[in-house]
This record gives sequence, C-alpha cells and structure tokens, in this order.
Amino acid sequence: DSGVTQTPKHLITATGQRVTLRCSPRSGDLSVYWYQQSLDQGLQFLIQYYNGEERAKGNILERFSAQQFPDLHSELNLSSLELGDSALYFCASSVVSMRGPTEAFFGQGTRLTVV
Amino acid sequence: TQLLEQSPQFLSIQEGENLTVYCNSSSVFSSLQWYRQEPGEGPVLLVTVVTGGEVKKLKRLTFQFGDARKDSSLHITAAQPGDTGLYLCAGAGSQAGTALIFGKGTTLSVSS
Repeated sequence: DSGVTQTPKHLITATGQRVTLRCSPRSGDLSVYWYQQSLDQGLQFLIQYYNGEERAKGNILERFSAQQFPDLHSELNLSSLELGDSALYFCASSVVSMRGPTEAFFGQGTRLTVV
Repeated sequence: TQLLEQSPQFLSIQEGENLTVYCNSSSVFSSLQWYRQEPGEGPVLLVTVVTGGEVKKLKRLTFQFGDARKDSSLHITAAQPGDTGLYLCAGAGSQAGTALIFGKGTTLSVSS
C-alpha cells in the first residue's frame, strides 16, 4: 500500500460527459501529480500541484482541469469526454526538496472507459 | 521538452537469462529513477540514482547512471518469473517542483 488513495477505481461513461477523479496523497506529502497512461503513449504527465498551487503543467488538454484543496486532496476534472480519453489515470504524491522531487508514490489508478 | 527513450520496448526471455534495458535522453537530469509496474497497479520505485557514474545494486538488479547524467541502464542477472512487469525510467529536472518525466517503458516477460 503506497498510502495514496484514488477513487473511483473504475469509471465507465459516455462521450460528452464530465467526470471527476479524486486523489488523497500520502500523509505529509505536499505535492500531487496527475498522469495519464495509455498503451501507445505511456505514462504522460498532466499537471502538478504543490501545497494548493499549480506548480507545473504537462500535456493536459483544455477540457481537463485540476485543483488541490486545503486538506491537500486533489481532483482531476475531465469534461466533454471523447473515446480517446479512455485510459488509466494515476495520481502520485511526493516530498519535494530543493533539489527536485524525491520518490513518487502512486495510487492504484482510475480506469476510465468512455463509450 | 525533456524526453526519455527506453529500449527495448518488449523483452521476452527464459528464466535464468541476463538482460539489460536502457534509458536515454539528450537532456541532463538531476536524478533518475527506475520504477516497476504490474498490471492493474501503479508504478513502484526501485531505485534513485543521483551522481553521474553511480552504480547501485538491489539484489539481482544493477542500476547505472551515465557519467553525463543523460542516460541509465538496468541490468538483471538470472531473471526469474517474478521479475515480469513494466520497467519505467523517470527523470527529474534540476528545479524544485519539477515533475517526473517517464519513458514509455520496457515490458519484460520471464518464462519458466
């Protein structure tokens, strides 16, 4: 058990819909990352939050947004869903030192299927 | 954009064989990490290498960071079926808060 909790584990929804994925980081970790994993693209970095503020953006679509709340849990919102958004979505948390991120602890992921 | 290329993409070997997987980039990283991922699970950290030329051993796994901190390798001695999984390398930038950038991974299958 990594200490990172993601819900739901599975999600099936129709095209055009909106979903929210939730992540609770490890106790004490201030940094949360969201990744998308598909068979052809691998693990793609979407966005990072640090102590409630956006820290870095990767290949995140405009239809996607995220936030980190005062209790440090984070949510990833996916809207106007397309078939191609079907993937595994991972949340990870870490302690961030002045030299950069340390070990990232991953949740078990949310498998999103858009039909 | 920092990119990490891993090779080979797939590797299927017999139990007892040795293997090496590679992780290469044109960018310099402050540290490089190797993760192992099993189906239905998130990646789990195996090792972090920080210093150019560094070699770390974890039982039958040997990790090396290139002198220029742009590449790394993972060598497994006498592979076992339990080593089967997706091996991912991830590079960290030199600035605080920089996200980990992952390679696409090497899928290893070890049969008995």
